[in-house]
Amino acid sequence: SQKIEQNSEALNIQEGKTATLTCNYTNYSPAYLQWYRQDPGRGPVFLLLIRENEKEKRKERLKVTFDTTLKQSLFHITASQPADSATYLCALSNSGNTPLVFGKGTRLSVIA
Amino acid sequence: DTGVSQDPRHKITKRGQNVTFRCDPISEHNRLYWYRQTLGQGPEFLTYFQNEAQLEKSRLLSDRFSAERPKGSFSTLEIQRTEQGDSAMYLCASSPVETFNYGYTFGSGTRLTVV
Repeated sequence: SQKIEQNSEALNIQEGKTATLTCNYTNYSPAYLQWYRQDPGRGPVFLLLIRENEKEKRKERLKVTFDTTLKQSLFHITASQPADSATYLCALSNSGNTPLVFGKGTRLSVIA
Repeated sequence: DTGVSQDPRHKITKRGQNVTFRCDPISEHNRLYWYRQTLGQGPEFLTYFQNEAQLEKSRLLSDRFSAERPKGSFSTLEIQRTEQGDSAMYLCASSPVETFNYGYTFGSGTRLTVV
């Protein structure tokens, strides 16, 4: 069966450290993968998109990698801040016409 | 453009009642999506439109759920004969057709509580 797994429900890290979140998938052949941030009681906010033929994407303190052989994406936040505390969702689509399928998310807490 | 708007933000209803939610997408976006999210879970796909055409509906979606997007602008999601299991956050999102280049823009959601 198709599955998207985000490795942990919760992750606690110290301010200033790099947070690394994992997204693994099975029985998908994603054309692209996206990462979203969600704060309590709000809708998800788009952060980054990476296509199947791309290895890495960066945006300010954020970096995403995509390994289609391992069927895994890693999401990094460098120099983390308490304001980065939120739930981060991984989502993927097999094609431009297939709606995104979301993982359960990882709740990140950055401790000052 | 103020983004994706959803109305109401909260809805409490008695079991068995019908409810209707509205979503106003970003005006330039052709695609509109409905998702449902329960506590501790990621958003679960319900249905999506391209302009006024409903292109896909989740196989898990009960026939008590119906959605429309007349004239390809705003959309409504109706739940008939609500059940306690329908309690969730209902999220609407929109995007351009060229989804390879863009993420979805979500609204703040409608939180439904069925008592």
